[in-house]
Amino acid sequence: AQSVTQLGSHVSVSEGALVLLRCNYSSSVPPYLFWYVQYPNQGLQLLLKYTTGATLVKGINGFEAEFKKSETSFHLTKPSAHMSDAAEYFCAVSSSGNTGKLIFGQGTTLQVKP
Amino acid sequence: DAGVIQSPRHEVTEMGQEVTLRCKPISGHNSLFWYRQTMMRGLELLIYFNNNVPIDDSGMPEDRFSAKMPNASFSTLKIQPSEPRDSAVYFCASVRESSGNTIYFGEGSWLTVV
Repeated sequence: AQSVTQLGSHVSVSEGALVLLRCNYSSSVPPYLFWYVQYPNQGLQLLLKYTTGATLVKGINGFEAEFKKSETSFHLTKPSAHMSDAAEYFCAVSSSGNTGKLIFGQGTTLQVKP
Repeated sequence: DAGVIQSPRHEVTEMGQEVTLRCKPISGHNSLFWYRQTMMRGLELLIYFNNNVPIDDSGMPEDRFSAKMPNASFSTLKIQPSEPRDSAVYFCASVRESSGNTIYFGEGSWLTVV
């Protein structure tokens, strides 16, 4: 069985500050991990993914995430927040046998203050 | 390349009416997924198909919901009769199943049942 927990349903940062969105997962098989972003009234856009290999994954818009197996975490970071980063972010897990069968976290709304 | 195409983008219907949501997956993708997004339950998988065959429909909430995939380029999700609690965003997604491949989401169908 797989599950995802996103710590903090709302995160507020100032423009230019570090963004840290937390994600912990549970999986009985080697996980594939994803971060998606959803802007208001829009669909889901893939930010980055981890499947195998390098544990530090770089994505679009300056975001990156690090897979830490010992901590069962996949936190999303960005060194400097921009106003355009305000959106809802979803962490998700799947397995190599079924990459499309995603289990999503509840989402974290990122607010960026000027 | 065209992405996953969903229709309608927005629908408002009265309780008791039949609702049909449509999806055209990306050409060459062999798995198709229907997800639902609500405030209360977040993003959840309803059903998925592999090579046009339903594989797992355990997420379908009740018998009022049905999904079909008559061919590789078309799928429908039907709700009959619709109820106000069915109001949600319904996402269709597709992937070519292979280790590491990315699933692509459509823009969603925003359904409101009044």
